[in-house]
Amino acid sequence: ETGVTQTPRHLVMGMTNKKSLKCEQHLGHNAMYWYKQSAKKPLELMFVYNFKEQTENNSVPSRFSPECPNSSHLFLHLHTLQPEDSALYLCASSSPDASGNTIYFGEGSWLTVV
Amino acid sequence: AQSVTQLGSHVSVSEGALVLLRCNYSSSVPPYLFWYVQYPNQGLQLLLKYTSAATLVKGINGFEAEFKKSETSFHLTKPSAHMSDAAEYFCAVSDLNYGNNRLAFGKGNQVVVIP
Repeated sequence: ETGVTQTPRHLVMGMTNKKSLKCEQHLGHNAMYWYKQSAKKPLELMFVYNFKEQTENNSVPSRFSPECPNSSHLFLHLHTLQPEDSALYLCASSSPDASGNTIYFGEGSWLTVV
Repeated sequence: AQSVTQLGSHVSVSEGALVLLRCNYSSSVPPYLFWYVQYPNQGLQLLLKYTSAATLVKGINGFEAEFKKSETSFHLTKPSAHMSDAAEYFCAVSDLNYGNNRLAFGKGNQVVVIP
């Protein structure tokens, strides 16, 4: 059981396809994030949204296009990806509380680009 | 900028033995520190966090970590390893801005439990 739900869990797409990853958080948080996890690399922060506004874009290529229609939903639109984009994409959410600002992760979407 | 260092990508431990995963941090301000665990084919789950309330932090599944400012460390321990502890463990430090949170992650430790 998780407060952050990601769909699909697995996605295989060709380099010319257009697809989207979806994330929904049920925790009432204000901030949402996309992280990329590749083999043998540290977790990479891609995007941060705070109250639906994008507050951070870590030099992510334009073939990744995030969308945050409200504080509970976050999308990652994918188009003309490269094989090196194959990775686990993790969505997360957080809000400040009395003990800090803990980030909670979804189970991830495994993306394979062929 | 904050950062964490986790040495040794793979850690092997015998079932019933002590689990010790080392994490050293770099931070210009008092840090928030976290340990996350990732089981195969799953996302990251919070194990425990340090937020300046107590230096010894107890988490889920019998894990605990001790914050030592003088050593800039936040090592994770469990007295007796169980087969179910086989997973990847990530230490992270928070660069906290109100409203959002940038976590800097270490490279992770893949823990293998030997029967």
